[in-house]
Amino acid sequence: AQSVTQPDIHITVSEGASLELRCNYSYGATPYLFWYVQSPGQGLQLLLKYFSGDTLVQGIKGFEAEFKRSQSSFNLRKPSVHWSDAAEYFCAVVTNMNTGFQKLVFGTGTRLLVSP
Amino acid sequence: KAGVTQTPRYLIKTRGQQVTLSCSPISGHRSVSWYQQTPGQGLQFLFEYFSETQRNKGNFPGRFSGRQFSNSRSEMNVSTLELGDSALYLCASSFPGRDGYTFGSGTRLTVV
Repeated sequence: AQSVTQPDIHITVSEGASLELRCNYSYGATPYLFWYVQSPGQGLQLLLKYFSGDTLVQGIKGFEAEFKRSQSSFNLRKPSVHWSDAAEYFCAVVTNMNTGFQKLVFGTGTRLLVSP
Repeated sequence: KAGVTQTPRYLIKTRGQQVTLSCSPISGHRSVSWYQQTPGQGLQFLFEYFSETQRNKGNFPGRFSGRQFSNSRSEMNVSTLELGDSALYLCASSFPGRDGYTFGSGTRLTVV
């Protein structure tokens, strides 16, 4: 079955430092991958997505992610973290993309804390 | 353009009651999906509707149901509420799937 693993439950980063959130997926076909961010009590906001093509994807708020098929990974990065980036981050994969029976499978999330 | 609108934002219900949640997708989006988010189980897929037809269903009991109207608005219903149904219910719309899924702010359901 398709799955997404986010190995880090919590990460604390100093403001201004770089960030990398890890995501590994298990999916037999070409994956369609997403990163979402969720602030407390809010819905999910799409940061970026990968469908095909260039393996380095740029998103909103200065985030980027790199798809590495050989490592089954889709790690999220930001060169300089701002206090407003503190939130929960979810990696997700769409299954059965071409059959019409699509659904998002989410990782368990990584909570980012930003220290002054 | 307007985003995905979910109503109500908050609900408090008593065990045994039923509840209906509403989701209005982005204009032009014909696919609407529902997800349940709890601290213990994370984000779990409930079901997906496309052109008024349920195309996919997650592993939830029959107390969870939904429908989609001709204008793509969707409702989900939970009957005979249990304490464990307390969760944030998120709706997402997409067109035609490759653009990603846009989520609403969710409905926070508390069952007491």
